[in-house]
Amino acid sequence: QKEVEQNSGPLSVPEGAIASLNCTYSDRGSQSFFWYRQYSGKSPELIMSIYSNGDKEDGRFTAQLNKASQYVSLLIRDSQPSDSATYLCAFLKRGYQKVTFGTGTKLQVIP
Amino acid sequence: GAVVSQHPSWVICKSGTSVKIECRSLDFQATTMFWYRQFPKQSLMLMATSNEGSKATYEQGVEKDKFLINHASLTLSTLTVTSAHPEDSSFYICSASGQRLRGGHPQHFGDGTRLSIL
Repeated sequence: QKEVEQNSGPLSVPEGAIASLNCTYSDRGSQSFFWYRQYSGKSPELIMSIYSNGDKEDGRFTAQLNKASQYVSLLIRDSQPSDSATYLCAFLKRGYQKVTFGTGTKLQVIP
Repeated sequence: GAVVSQHPSWVICKSGTSVKIECRSLDFQATTMFWYRQFPKQSLMLMATSNEGSKATYEQGVEKDKFLINHASLTLSTLTVTSAHPEDSSFYICSASGQRLRGGHPQHFGDGTRLSIL
């Protein structure tokens, strides 16, 4: 079983719609969870971090964490073509410095 | 502004050449640095983890004699691709981790180095 599972996509949504990106993880020792955005040819950039169960909102982005189900998601409201990128789910285990990344979901926002 | 500087951003060189990539943390002490490789349209793959003053820990399948990592100070790590061949052409990204990183970041990424071996 992979440590982090993401659907590779591509996920296509029309401009203005809500994009929903999902991620499951296997290690219950995971403490911190992150969503990174990576544009083609660029390095990843952190867009959301979440540490406790529930929702965390930042602008058009909402991260949702359910530790019991080992599930973390990212919602992007009012999707824009500029949101088209690969979104990487990642987690950090308690006591470790190495972040474990998923393989990423490619999002395409269609104008 | 950038907190991790990676240099060079683009390298094109002949097969057999050794290439050094630098990764510097600009405003924090990077106790740990990570080196990743990403082939086109593939996922980010961790190559090695280095702690300042210690030997790097390489991931399975990564040749430590080919990819030399030095982390001699808290602000600088280098990756040297020795005797590079076309199959080593890839996007290499460093990241740095340390205490008191701002904004909830577990690590800060450099901008990456695109290596093309002819």
